[in-house]
Amino acid sequence: DIQMTQSPSTLSASVGDRVTFTCRASQSIGTWLAWYQQKPGKAPRLLIYKASTLKSGVPSRFSGSGSGTEFTLTISGLQPDDLATYYCQQYNNYLYTFGQGTKLEI
Amino acid sequence: QVQLVESGGGVVQPGGSLRLSCAASGFIFRNYGMHWVRQAPGKGLEWVAFIAKDAYIKQHAGSVKGRFTSSRDNSKNTLYLQMNSLRIEDTAVYYCAKDLDATFDDWGQGTLVTVSS
Repeated sequence: DIQMTQSPSTLSASVGDRVTFTCRASQSIGTWLAWYQQKPGKAPRLLIYKASTLKSGVPSRFSGSGSGTEFTLTISGLQPDDLATYYCQQYNNYLYTFGQGTKLEI
Repeated sequence: QVQLVESGGGVVQPGGSLRLSCAASGFIFRNYGMHWVRQAPGKGLEWVAFIAKDAYIKQHAGSVKGRFTSSRDNSKNTLYLQMNSLRIEDTAVYYCAKDLDATFDDWGQGTLVTVSS
């Protein structure tokens, strides 16, 4: 099974900062990588799919990049509403794996 | 707009069974693959199962294979998860989600399953 490792586990930042989350896959997954935001007590929300495609309706301050085994999610101009835990997720041959999450503290 | 509403959660003893349902609306259900994803209390997300739009392809996570079965009724716009031989470690909020290019596009609000004696 493909393992996904996110770093850091917790990230502290201030409003207006540019923050970057990292996700590494245990083997190459091409660009089959998605990012989700989950606020406390809520269902996750898809932000980015196919590594860099922004889902419709998601603010443009969110962006994704990477391929193979290294991926990043960047928030440019952090907002108070961005307080959440962020998860990456990979797809390979009808099997899906999440990273352990990065908790963003503002 | 897309709506996914899970139901069927509750408290069950170890070894017991439960069937979850997910009622879909706001999109053409029969055209989309669907997933189940769970989240244990205070923990991260774990994918559980995928079923293709015509149910021809089904895949389940290793942790539930042989115990859980996903199914769907496209005439009723409903997704199901039959859970047998439940274990304490199956305790979680179970979400259904609509597939988009191998991701989880839209999510329900979740239903809590508690396995406890």
